[in-house]
Formats: sequence, C-alpha cells, structure tokens
Amino acid sequence: NAGVTQTPKFQVLKTGQSMTLQCAQDMNHEYMSWYRQDPGMGLRLIHYSVGAGITDQGEVPNGYNVSRSTTEDFPLRLLSAAPSQTSVYFCASSLMPRDLRYGYTFGSGTRLTVV
Amino acid sequence: GEDVEQSLFLSVREGDSSVINCTYTDSSSTYLYWYKQEPGAGLQLLTYIFSNMDMKQDQRLTVLLNKKDKHLSLRIADTQTGDSAIYFCAEIIGWTGGSYIPTFGRGTSLIVHP
Repeated sequence: NAGVTQTPKFQVLKTGQSMTLQCAQDMNHEYMSWYRQDPGMGLRLIHYSVGAGITDQGEVPNGYNVSRSTTEDFPLRLLSAAPSQTSVYFCASSLMPRDLRYGYTFGSGTRLTVV
Repeated sequence: GEDVEQSLFLSVREGDSSVINCTYTDSSSTYLYWYKQEPGAGLQLLTYIFSNMDMKQDQRLTVLLNKKDKHLSLRIADTQTGDSAIYFCAEIIGWTGGSYIPTFGRGTSLIVHP
C-alpha cells in the first residue's frame, strides 16, 4: 500500500492563479479530509468527505473547492490564489467509522507559496 | 463545544522522561489520539486510548486519561534526540451524533538536548 499520496510536494503560485492539489489513497478509506497547517495555528480543517459523492465544509472552507467522484481521490481546488493561502496542506484518510483504532493516515504535505 | 489545548513547548534532557499534556472539553469524547510530526513530514499516529480506559502502555510510551478532569498525557520514557518533534493531541466524538472528524490541539514542540 502506498498510503496517502499528495502531489505536488512544493508549489509557487502568483496571486489570482488557480490550481488543484491532488490526494489519492489506496486503503479503501471512506473518510478523507484536507487540513492546512500554519505556524502557531495547528491544523485547521478545510473540507472533508465521508464517502464518494459526499463532501462538507470544515472550519476554513473559503477560497477552496472539493469533489469526491471516487473513493480513492479527493482533490482540493484553489479558485483564485491569495497570499493568505500560503500554507502547508495535508490530506488525510481514515477507516472511520468502521475502525477507530487507526485514527487518520496523513500524506506528506504540499507546501504552497502564493506571491 | 470542542476545544483541545496543549502547551506549545517542552524542553528535556536526553535520557529523561518527557510528559506532554492535553486538555479536552467535550465529555462525550470517545477516542483520543497522540500524533507525532517530524520536520517536513506529515502526522504519524503514535497511539490511541479509548474513553473506557485509564492507561495504555506501548514500549516507551504511556498514555494516561483522567476523564474527571478531561486531561490526557503522553509520557515518553528515556527520551532520545530522535523524539524531537511536534506532538498533537486529538479527540474524536463517536457514537450517535458524532462526526468522526478529529479536533486537534495546536501541538507541543518537544526539544531534546544532550
């Protein structure tokens, strides 16, 4: 199993550009989430999905869109990048609610800079 | 409401024990977790504890849960330089009405010096 794979690992965008952060998992997890991590702020939930075709907003959804057409993939779209979106983005997936013992599995992150 | 709190920094000497503390405010929390994040990497699950447990031990790691005070701690015995990382506490409210979406603390940076 590859686990949770995020691409790209690094990205620099100009203000106003759009892009998609990719996330894929091969563990047949129903639950998938996107977080951003900023210094001193911990992890903040952007969007999450409890299964294919179902998505919901988290704590900081503005400026981001998601879709979940398959169980494996959960891309995050930045519609019009702003410097405030400079952050490290993590995708995570989980066996919940079938098995809570394993928590969430995280990808290695995408480091995004918006100039 | 849900709020998980941790102190931001902890500095220990190599070989000593480290104790990282966490408080949570929702008494219906079902599962509580500790994650480790090394520089430049994602979060890695270290251990978990169910709300019907008081203690869990796994090699050098001991987790203590005080449900009355809503306090969770992670003790690392014989701390090594490789334990230097950020440690996150997280809670999940399961059962009826739970979303199974974790709430994370802001993380405690553990610095281990020789």
